[in-house]
Amino acid sequence: DQQVKQNSPSLSVQEGRISILNCDYTNSMFDYFLWYKKYPAEGPTFLISISSIKDKNEDGRFTVFLNKSAKHLSLHIVPSQPGDSAVYFCAASAGGNNNDMRFGAGTRLTVKP
Amino acid sequence: DVKVTQSSRYLVKRTGEKVFLECVQDMDHENMFWYRQDPGLGLRLIYFSYDVKMKEKGDIPEGYSVSREKKERFSLILESASTNQTSMYLCASSAQGAEAFFGQGTRLTVV
Repeated sequence: DQQVKQNSPSLSVQEGRISILNCDYTNSMFDYFLWYKKYPAEGPTFLISISSIKDKNEDGRFTVFLNKSAKHLSLHIVPSQPGDSAVYFCAASAGGNNNDMRFGAGTRLTVKP
Repeated sequence: DVKVTQSSRYLVKRTGEKVFLECVQDMDHENMFWYRQDPGLGLRLIYFSYDVKMKEKGDIPEGYSVSREKKERFSLILESASTNQTSMYLCASSAQGAEAFFGQGTRLTVV
């Protein structure tokens, strides 16, 4: 039973517009959330994270929002660029040590020029 | 730059063989992980380790074992490879409470 769920397998947006990727989780013990980006034939690379004491974290074009009551987080990319086309994974861990990260199934983002 | 190195990019093994996947990190990280990635299932945690000689089962440990004799090295062992273990295997490491860094992955095919 997956504890981290990404229900949209794919998303397509126009260059310059906003991309919103969603993630839900079931384990209320999760207190640290991360987004990773993955290109084909490469390992995932870390993008941005948020701890449960915050509801928003911003890094350049990337913003992660956390809604603890809904057990939901989202990644906003503004403006979207063709180079952002990749698979995005949401991950979560519990207990502060981040030693048992669970991942979602991923969302393939395509940004069209 | 953090480096997580997996010993092979591609492996082809026969059913029943014992398979070793090696992973080395150079950042003195406490945590190390093994995941497998399958289409539609994302990354599933097989095992993780938070210290030398310590290991914990993830969500799908069946058919796998691990070894962490040194802090920098975390090995995944398939005791008797089966075709349903054909997958992309990803190793990662992290400091306590920090993001994980991944290796480039090993695509294992069991025939």
